[in-house]
Amino acid sequence: SQTIHQWPATLVQPVGSPLSLECTVEGTSNPNLYWYRQAAGRGLQLLFYSIGIDQISSEVPQNLSASRPQDRQFILSSKKLLLSDSGFYLCAWSPTRGEKLFFGSGTQLSVL
Amino acid sequence: QKEVEQDPGPLSVPEGAIVSLNCTYSNSAFQYFMWYRQYSRKGPELLMYTYSSGNKEDGRFTAQVDKSSKYISLFIRDSQPSDSATYLCAMSVPGGSYIPTFGRGTSLIVHP
Repeated sequence: SQTIHQWPATLVQPVGSPLSLECTVEGTSNPNLYWYRQAAGRGLQLLFYSIGIDQISSEVPQNLSASRPQDRQFILSSKKLLLSDSGFYLCAWSPTRGEKLFFGSGTQLSVL
Repeated sequence: QKEVEQDPGPLSVPEGAIVSLNCTYSNSAFQYFMWYRQYSRKGPELLMYTYSSGNKEDGRFTAQVDKSSKYISLFIRDSQPSDSATYLCAMSVPGGSYIPTFGRGTSLIVHP
């Protein structure tokens, strides 16, 4: 069966520090991968999605970047965190175009 | 008008009640319809998935799609305190975008 791993679960970082969140999927190949951010009491905001290695689309101009170094690995990064980067970050994967997304457990990021 | 509308709630019901959660949408091309359950500080979990119109039942949960009214519902029978969570609807177009469209979620509270 397929599983998605996302870590860390909680992260507290100072303003201006770098960020690296990692997500891996097991049990499938060539998944579509997604990074979402969810502010408290708000809906899901799509940040990046990838349909293959070196095929990454950015949905929102921001202080973040994404990379997919391997087929089942998706990394969210920042060189310098801002206060506004605080939030709940979710990685997800999908076996097919636009349907049945499966989410990781999320990372609560607090930038202080 | 947003593509998907979902009342954020909160919806508070007594244990044992029948719960009705709803979403309306504007894009008649949507064919895949999903319901997710999200507990606080956790990733959304795919609860129900339906294609096109009709009903789908899984235990205490029933998903209903009315394409003529552009309206989908999730019914929860014999609600339990453990059902307290945020429920998000999502929908997508077959062969269309890689990105499903999510509602903002409805917060449900089932009190003993």
